[in-house]
Amino acid sequence: KNEVEQSPQNLTAQEGEFITINCSYSVGISALHWLQQHPGGGIVSLFMLSSGKKKHGRLIATINIQEKHSSLHITASHPRDSAVYICAVLGVIGGSQGNLIFGKGTKLSVKP
Amino acid sequence: NAGVTQTPKFQVLKTGQSMTLQCAQDMNHEYMSWYRQDPGMGLRLIHYSVGAGITDQGEVPNGYNVSRSTTEDFPLRLLSAAPSQTSVYFCASSSPRGTSQYFGPGTRLTVL
Repeated sequence: KNEVEQSPQNLTAQEGEFITINCSYSVGISALHWLQQHPGGGIVSLFMLSSGKKKHGRLIATINIQEKHSSLHITASHPRDSAVYICAVLGVIGGSQGNLIFGKGTKLSVKP
Repeated sequence: NAGVTQTPKFQVLKTGQSMTLQCAQDMNHEYMSWYRQDPGMGLRLIHYSVGAGITDQGEVPNGYNVSRSTTEDFPLRLLSAAPSQTSVYFCASSSPRGTSQYFGPGTRLTVL
Protein backbone atom coordinates (compact mmCIF):
# COMPACT_ATOMS: atom_id res chain seq x y z
CA LYS A 1 0.00 0.00 0.00
CA ASN A 2 1.34 3.42 -0.96
CA GLU A 3 2.05 5.75 1.93
CA VAL A 4 0.31 8.62 0.12
CA GLU A 5 -2.87 7.96 -1.81
CA GLN A 6 -4.65 10.50 -3.98
CA SER A 7 -8.10 10.38 -5.50
CA PRO A 8 -9.30 10.64 -8.11
CA GLN A 9 -6.46 9.77 -10.49
CA ASN A 10 -8.13 11.65 -13.32
CA LEU A 11 -10.76 14.35 -13.20
CA THR A 12 -12.59 16.16 -15.99
CA ALA A 13 -14.69 19.19 -15.15
CA GLN A 14 -16.61 21.92 -16.92
CA GLU A 15 -15.47 25.49 -16.50
CA GLY A 16 -16.98 26.98 -13.37
CA GLU A 17 -17.37 23.74 -11.45
CA PHE A 18 -16.19 23.24 -7.87
CA ILE A 19 -13.41 20.66 -7.72
CA THR A 20 -12.12 18.53 -4.85
CA ILE A 21 -8.97 16.42 -4.85
CA ASN A 22 -8.29 14.16 -1.88
CA CYS A 23 -5.09 12.94 -0.26
CA SER A 24 -4.74 10.31 2.46
CA TYR A 25 -1.49 9.28 4.09
CA SER A 26 -0.42 6.56 6.48
CA VAL A 27 2.78 7.95 8.02
CA GLY A 28 3.53 10.55 10.65
CA ILE A 29 4.19 13.90 9.07
CA SER A 30 5.42 17.34 9.96
CA ALA A 31 3.77 19.02 6.98
CA LEU A 32 1.88 18.38 3.75
CA HIS A 33 2.45 20.11 0.44
CA TRP A 34 0.15 20.52 -2.52
CA LEU A 35 2.05 20.89 -5.78
CA GLN A 36 0.96 21.80 -9.31
CA GLN A 37 2.55 20.57 -12.53
CA HIS A 38 1.39 21.88 -15.91
CA PRO A 39 1.86 19.66 -18.98
CA GLY A 40 5.53 19.56 -19.91
CA GLY A 41 6.23 22.02 -17.16
CA GLY A 42 7.94 22.29 -13.85
CA ILE A 43 6.53 21.73 -10.38
CA VAL A 44 5.27 24.60 -8.27
CA SER A 45 4.34 24.51 -4.62
CA LEU A 46 0.80 25.77 -3.98
CA PHE A 47 0.43 25.22 -0.24
CA MET A 48 2.23 23.94 2.79
CA LEU A 49 -0.08 22.80 5.57
CA SER A 50 0.61 21.55 9.06
CA SER A 51 -2.91 22.15 10.40
CA GLY A 52 -6.23 23.71 9.52
CA LYS A 53 -6.94 25.48 6.28
CA LYS A 54 -5.28 27.84 3.81
CA LYS A 55 -6.70 29.88 0.93
CA HIS A 56 -4.99 31.47 -2.06
CA GLY A 57 -7.40 33.02 -4.52
CA ARG A 58 -9.70 30.27 -5.82
CA LEU A 59 -7.68 27.50 -4.18
CA ILE A 60 -8.42 26.18 -0.70
CA ALA A 61 -6.48 23.44 1.08
CA THR A 62 -7.48 21.71 4.30
CA ILE A 63 -5.83 19.12 6.46
CA ASN A 64 -7.12 16.88 9.26
CA ILE A 65 -4.10 15.55 11.14
CA GLN A 66 -6.12 13.08 13.24
CA GLU A 67 -7.71 11.51 10.16
CA LYS A 68 -4.49 11.79 8.09
CA HIS A 69 -6.37 13.40 5.25
CA SER A 70 -6.10 16.56 3.18
CA SER A 71 -8.23 18.08 0.44
CA LEU A 72 -7.52 20.61 -2.27
CA HIS A 73 -10.52 22.55 -3.54
CA ILE A 74 -10.73 24.75 -6.61
CA THR A 75 -13.69 27.09 -6.79
CA ALA A 76 -14.99 28.42 -10.13
CA SER A 77 -12.58 26.23 -12.09
CA HIS A 78 -11.01 27.56 -15.28
CA PRO A 79 -9.24 25.83 -18.20
CA ARG A 80 -5.94 27.28 -16.98
CA ASP A 81 -6.34 25.15 -13.84
CA SER A 82 -5.75 22.07 -16.03
CA ALA A 83 -2.66 20.42 -14.57
CA VAL A 84 -1.51 17.54 -12.43
CA TYR A 85 -1.94 18.18 -8.72
CA ILE A 86 0.41 16.31 -6.43
CA CYS A 87 0.12 15.73 -2.71
CA ALA A 88 3.42 15.30 -0.88
CA VAL A 89 3.98 14.69 2.81
CA LEU A 90 7.09 15.65 4.73
CA GLY A 91 8.15 12.96 7.17
CA VAL A 92 9.90 13.42 10.45
CA ILE A 93 13.11 11.58 11.30
CA GLY A 94 14.08 11.95 14.91
CA GLY A 95 12.90 15.52 14.99
CA SER A 96 14.85 16.50 11.90
CA GLN A 97 13.41 17.25 8.50
CA GLY A 98 12.58 14.07 6.64
CA ASN A 99 12.09 13.57 2.96
CA LEU A 100 9.03 14.23 0.83
CA ILE A 101 6.82 11.25 -0.01
CA PHE A 102 4.66 11.87 -3.05
CA GLY A 103 1.27 10.73 -4.20
CA LYS A 104 0.91 9.71 -7.84
CA GLY A 105 -0.95 12.87 -8.72
CA THR A 106 -4.40 13.82 -9.96
CA LYS A 107 -4.68 14.88 -13.58
CA LEU A 108 -7.28 17.64 -13.87
CA SER A 109 -8.74 18.77 -17.16
CA VAL A 110 -11.15 21.71 -17.17
CA LYS A 111 -13.19 22.08 -20.36
CA PRO A 112 -14.44 25.50 -21.52
CA ASN B 1 16.89 35.09 -7.45
CA ALA B 2 17.02 32.43 -10.14
CA GLY B 3 15.67 29.78 -7.71
CA VAL B 4 16.65 26.24 -8.75
CA THR B 5 18.28 25.82 -12.14
CA GLN B 6 18.93 22.59 -13.99
CA THR B 7 20.87 21.79 -17.13
CA PRO B 8 20.39 20.36 -19.65
CA LYS B 9 16.63 20.45 -20.34
CA PHE B 10 16.81 17.51 -22.75
CA GLN B 11 19.40 14.78 -23.24
CA VAL B 12 19.65 11.62 -25.30
CA LEU B 13 22.25 9.04 -24.32
CA LYS B 14 23.29 5.67 -25.60
CA THR B 15 23.39 2.71 -23.24
CA GLY B 16 26.64 2.71 -21.30
CA GLN B 17 27.39 6.41 -21.66
CA SER B 18 27.87 8.57 -18.58
CA MET B 19 26.77 12.11 -17.94
CA THR B 20 26.16 14.67 -15.22
CA LEU B 21 22.93 16.55 -14.64
CA GLN B 22 23.65 19.93 -13.15
CA CYS B 23 21.61 21.57 -10.40
CA ALA B 24 22.17 24.87 -8.63
CA GLN B 25 20.21 27.04 -6.21
CA ASP B 26 20.81 30.57 -5.03
CA MET B 27 18.66 30.56 -1.89
CA ASN B 28 21.35 29.25 0.47
CA HIS B 29 19.28 26.17 1.22
CA GLU B 30 20.97 23.35 3.08
CA TYR B 31 18.58 20.63 1.88
CA MET B 32 18.71 19.58 -1.78
CA SER B 33 17.37 16.51 -3.49
CA TRP B 34 17.06 14.69 -6.80
CA TYR B 35 13.88 12.94 -7.96
CA ARG B 36 12.83 10.99 -10.99
CA GLN B 37 9.33 11.06 -12.39
CA ASP B 38 8.00 8.16 -14.42
CA PRO B 39 4.52 7.69 -15.94
CA GLY B 40 2.03 6.19 -13.48
CA MET B 41 4.38 6.62 -10.55
CA GLY B 42 4.88 9.41 -8.10
CA LEU B 43 8.11 11.30 -7.86
CA ARG B 44 10.77 9.09 -6.31
CA LEU B 45 13.77 10.24 -4.33
CA ILE B 46 17.16 9.31 -5.77
CA HIS B 47 19.63 11.08 -3.47
CA TYR B 48 19.52 13.97 -1.09
CA SER B 49 21.85 16.25 0.82
CA VAL B 50 21.40 18.09 4.09
CA GLY B 51 24.43 20.32 3.57
CA ALA B 52 27.80 20.65 1.88
CA GLY B 53 29.75 17.43 2.21
CA ILE B 54 26.74 15.38 3.36
CA THR B 55 24.74 13.17 1.01
CA ASP B 56 22.55 10.14 1.45
CA GLN B 57 20.60 7.66 -0.62
CA GLY B 58 16.91 7.86 -1.29
CA GLU B 59 14.46 5.27 -2.57
CA VAL B 60 16.07 4.58 -5.96
CA PRO B 61 19.82 5.35 -5.78
CA ASN B 62 21.25 2.54 -7.92
CA GLY B 63 23.12 3.76 -10.98
CA TYR B 64 23.45 7.32 -9.70
CA ASN B 65 26.10 9.22 -7.76
CA VAL B 66 25.97 12.64 -6.14
CA SER B 67 28.34 14.99 -4.40
CA ARG B 68 27.85 18.31 -2.60
CA SER B 69 31.02 20.35 -2.51
CA THR B 70 29.21 23.69 -2.11
CA THR B 71 25.85 24.78 -0.71
CA GLU B 72 24.79 25.98 -4.17
CA ASP B 73 25.51 22.95 -6.38
CA PHE B 74 24.23 19.38 -6.30
CA PRO B 75 25.13 17.47 -9.49
CA LEU B 76 23.71 14.02 -10.30
CA ARG B 77 25.96 11.60 -12.17
CA LEU B 78 24.78 8.68 -14.24
CA LEU B 79 27.66 6.23 -14.24
CA SER B 80 26.64 3.92 -17.09
CA ALA B 81 23.29 4.85 -18.57
CA ALA B 82 20.63 2.17 -19.00
CA PRO B 83 17.24 2.36 -20.78
CA SER B 84 15.58 2.00 -17.34
CA GLN B 85 16.97 5.43 -16.49
CA THR B 86 14.84 7.07 -19.17
CA SER B 87 12.83 9.52 -17.10
CA VAL B 88 12.27 13.14 -16.18
CA TYR B 89 14.63 14.29 -13.45
CA PHE B 90 13.87 17.07 -11.01
CA CYS B 91 16.23 18.78 -8.62
CA ALA B 92 14.75 20.53 -5.60
CA SER B 93 15.79 22.55 -2.60
CA SER B 94 13.87 23.42 0.51
CA SER B 95 13.96 25.96 3.27
CA PRO B 96 14.66 24.90 6.87
CA ARG B 97 12.11 22.36 8.18
CA GLY B 98 10.86 21.92 4.60
CA THR B 99 8.31 24.69 4.87
CA SER B 100 8.99 25.87 1.30
CA GLN B 101 9.85 23.58 -1.59
CA TYR B 102 11.44 24.74 -4.84
CA PHE B 103 11.81 22.57 -7.90
CA GLY B 104 13.98 22.99 -10.95
CA PRO B 105 12.44 22.92 -14.45
CA GLY B 106 13.38 19.28 -15.00
CA THR B 107 15.63 17.34 -17.37
CA ARG B 108 14.04 14.92 -19.82
CA LEU B 109 16.51 12.07 -20.34
CA THR B 110 16.20 9.34 -22.94
CA VAL B 111 18.56 6.38 -22.93
CA LEU B 112 18.62 4.37 -26.15
